[in-house]
Amino acid sequence: DAGITQSPRHKVTETGTPVTLRCHQTENHRYMYWYRQDPGHGLRLIHYSYGVKDTDKGEVSDGYSVSRSKTEDFLLTLESATSSQTSVYFCAISQQWDSGNTIYFGEGSWLTVV
Amino acid sequence: AQTVTQSQPEMSVQEAETVTLSCTYDTSESDYYLFWYKQPPSRQMILVIRQEAYKQQNATENRFSVNFQKAAKSFSLKISDSQLGDAAMYFCAYIRLQGAQKLVFGQGTRLTINP
Repeated sequence: DAGITQSPRHKVTETGTPVTLRCHQTENHRYMYWYRQDPGHGLRLIHYSYGVKDTDKGEVSDGYSVSRSKTEDFLLTLESATSSQTSVYFCAISQQWDSGNTIYFGEGSWLTVV
Repeated sequence: AQTVTQSQPEMSVQEAETVTLSCTYDTSESDYYLFWYKQPPSRQMILVIRQEAYKQQNATENRFSVNFQKAAKSFSLKISDSQLGDAAMYFCAYIRLQGAQKLVFGQGTRLTINP
């Protein structure tokens, strides 16, 4: 268990409303990621962060923004939610061991945009 | 850009038998890790096994082992003595160690275990 908590775990929202998902970690890992998972697409990277205020885009970043003002929290914001953003969102962290890196995931946030 | 391909959308195996899931990847990097993740219906992402590219020895974790062919850019997962609890989606993933460390996934293979 890498101490990753996602919130909310489930949310239903209306088209056009803003939504923020939070990923919280307890172990000061440098890298944090946001993915979305949709049928037939596996997990696709939305944004990632390599430190406080250091973020970069992934392959499906349009319509999403992120912020990381402190090491433990990585926020994903949908400025104006659309039905195409209905998905399961996963946060992940990269944990470094002496033997190398391992990626651990949160339990997912189910978002439905109606 | 790095890509990961899983060419088998679905696989099935009889309980107690062995099954191999395929994964190929494309990269120009020399230092990277490869992973297999299991995702049961709960959607939890569970790390099954990890392989460091610099290691020639194939990783093994109990009934799970990999066949890592670096030159061929192939990373298959073998599950021995399949159990009903092995039924899940399996994802192959790649992460490079230099520069931006983005974890890239294949599209997944759905594994069914027949009793």
